[in-house]
Amino acid sequence: QSVLTQPPSVSAAPGQRVAISCAGSSSNIRDEYVSWYQQLPGTAPKLLIFDTNKRPPGISDRFSGSKSGTSATLYITGLQTGDEADYYCGAWDSSQSWIFGGGTKLTVL
Amino acid sequence: QVHLVQSGAEVKKPGATVKVSCKASGYTFGNYAIHWVRQAPGQGLEWMGWINAGSGKTKYTVRFQGRVTYSRDKSTRTVYMELSSLTSQDTAVYYCAREGSFDAFDLWGQGTMVTVSS
Repeated sequence: QSVLTQPPSVSAAPGQRVAISCAGSSSNIRDEYVSWYQQLPGTAPKLLIFDTNKRPPGISDRFSGSKSGTSATLYITGLQTGDEADYYCGAWDSSQSWIFGGGTKLTVL
Repeated sequence: QVHLVQSGAEVKKPGATVKVSCKASGYTFGNYAIHWVRQAPGQGLEWMGWINAGSGKTKYTVRFQGRVTYSRDKSTRTVYMELSSLTSQDTAVYYCAREGSFDAFDLWGQGTMVTVSS
């Protein structure tokens, strides 16, 4: 059972905007940086967002992140079929462990 | 180019031990920690712990403590994960991942499939 809670799936049409939520607690998201990862089918995860809302070099500005209290959100705008993937949030927890959300499968209709 | 390249797939019998390697290139090896993350078939990501590639200091999650060992060889820029007393529940893809400067995993290996079957 994941400590960070994500919706199992989300869907939207090409060109639309989607939001993926990640609910945590005061021992993780509230006081720690949140990162987001994209995992395309059959591949390793790739860092999309770090430090809650920053993009690594080469990541499209269609991806953005935010945080409020004990929850974080990943936004994807201008959806493309190539965005179909599993998305994971992650954060350090005060129990001295790194935790991930259970993952959200994005379907572009 | 910056890479983490892992060793190939393994098939092990229950009770056996597996050792997975993760070879780094393109960056200063000792400046970063390497974490291990596994993913069972159809499941999410599970963090297993880390090793500081410079100092060799390790951190194991409670769930794997006593069964997993991380090590590194600075001369070959390689980190190792050894998992013992394997059961079918250990069947998964095992990833090494570099912890970047901002509490995130900015570089991942391609993954190593470990299958435990009698």
